[in-house]
Amino acid sequence: QQPVQSPQAVILREGEDAVINCSSSKALYSVHWYRQKHGEAPVFLMILLKGGEQKGHEKISASFNEKKQQSSLYLTASQLSYSGTYFCGTARGGAQKLVFGQGTRLTINP
Amino acid sequence: DTAVSQTPKYLVTQMGNDKSIKCEQNLGHDTMYWYKQDSKKFLKIMFSYNNKELIINETVPNRFSPKSPDKAHLNLHINSLELGDSAVYFCASSLTDTTEAFFGQGTRLTVV
Repeated sequence: QQPVQSPQAVILREGEDAVINCSSSKALYSVHWYRQKHGEAPVFLMILLKGGEQKGHEKISASFNEKKQQSSLYLTASQLSYSGTYFCGTARGGAQKLVFGQGTRLTINP
Repeated sequence: DTAVSQTPKYLVTQMGNDKSIKCEQNLGHDTMYWYKQDSKKFLKIMFSYNNKELIINETVPNRFSPKSPDKAHLNLHINSLELGDSAVYFCASSLTDTTEAFFGQGTRLTVV
C-alpha cells in the first residue's frame, strides 16, 4: 500500500528547518527515506523498523511513531545540498516489495 | 566498480518497436526491482525479483516482461512500445526489502 507524503513541495532559505511527513491508514512495517537530486538516482538516507524509533544522520533525522502509521523526516539548518525530492517508502518484510510515496520536492535558496 | 549498472542510459525509439534495458548488480543481493518514474517524479514499482523468481508483478501491461538469467541480472524487455511508455526506468537491488536499496543510474526512454 502506497504511503502518503506531505507537503508536496517546500521552499526554504538556507539555514531554515523542514519537516516532511509520511503516513498510512494502516500500520507500516518499515519506513525508508531516500533523496533524489535532479537527473540522478535516489540515494538511501535511513530505515526505521520499530515503532517509537528515532534515527539521525548529521542534521537529518527521522522518527517513526508508536503506532507505526507515521514517520517524519527532519532537516535542521538546511544546506543548499539538501535540495532534491525526498521519498518515503515502505515494505512489508518478506514480501520483497518496496513501495514509495509520491515524493516531496525540497528547494533550498541562498 | 558500479554497484548497480543499467544500460543504456538513454534510449530513443519509435512507437511499435521492441527494446530491452539491462541491469546488473555486483552486490550479491537477493532482491532486484524495476521502477518507472514518470514526468511527475512518481516512483512506481513494476516488478520485484527474489533469487530469480518473480515475487510481485504490479499491474503493468504484459508488453513489459522482466527476464533474469541469473541472480545478478534483471533485464526489462518491452514489446510494442507506446508514447506513454516514455519515462525514466530505474533498476534497484537490496539484500532484503528491509535493507538499503541501491539504484542504478536510470534509463531515460523516449518513444516518438
